[in-house]
Amino acid sequence: DTEVTQTPKHLVMGMTNKKSLKCEQHMGHRAMYWYKQKAKKPPELMFVYSYEKLSINESVPSRFSPECPNSSLLNLHLHALQPEDSALYLCASSPFRAGAPSYEQYFGPGTRLTVT
Amino acid sequence: SQQGEEDPQALSIQEGENATMNCSYKTSINNLQWYRQNSGRGLVHLILIRSNEREKHSGRLRVTLDTSKKSSSLLITASRAADTASYFCATDPKAPYGGSQGNLIFGKGTKLSVKP
Repeated sequence: DTEVTQTPKHLVMGMTNKKSLKCEQHMGHRAMYWYKQKAKKPPELMFVYSYEKLSINESVPSRFSPECPNSSLLNLHLHALQPEDSALYLCASSPFRAGAPSYEQYFGPGTRLTVT
Repeated sequence: SQQGEEDPQALSIQEGENATMNCSYKTSINNLQWYRQNSGRGLVHLILIRSNEREKHSGRLRVTLDTSKKSSSLLITASRAADTASYFCATDPKAPYGGSQGNLIFGKGTKLSVKP
């Protein structure tokens, strides 16, 4: 199974809501990533988890809170978002060996988030 | 921060023609990868070329890497309408100790349109 799944596909939320995005992979990958992508722009890295530990946080505002409950699951908890946070949120996974060059990343289809 | 710069930003060709996209980057890398993204969807890994490789082929794809010029090119031969997508290069920057920083830096992308 070489698939990364993301739920929900679409999400509309108000600025006072709390919601969560979910990502799952069963490829045994030990690195998982959250990206944010605005229209006509490249993906921007938000967080990296390696072996279920947060290894990279690209100065993301605290209204985004990642969680990695186990090696197959990655969540992104959202709270008090702003309209400018509306974007496509992509999850990816990759084989990982500490210090070794990066391998290819497998991306999910993304969650289209609209903040009203 | 973005490292790669693709050229051209947009490319429109007829089916059957070849498409060439270029990518430039700024720092030492472990490898360079190319990804394809259909409109509003997740990215799909196409090919990875290591820093000690100069050329790589995969089906209709040919990638070259010139580390002295810090540039790469992606050639798609005999293009098809289904190749219409955005193409991104992504670099794995070398960490100060020589290994991987654990993340990819995506370029701005080339939007390819193949007309039937």
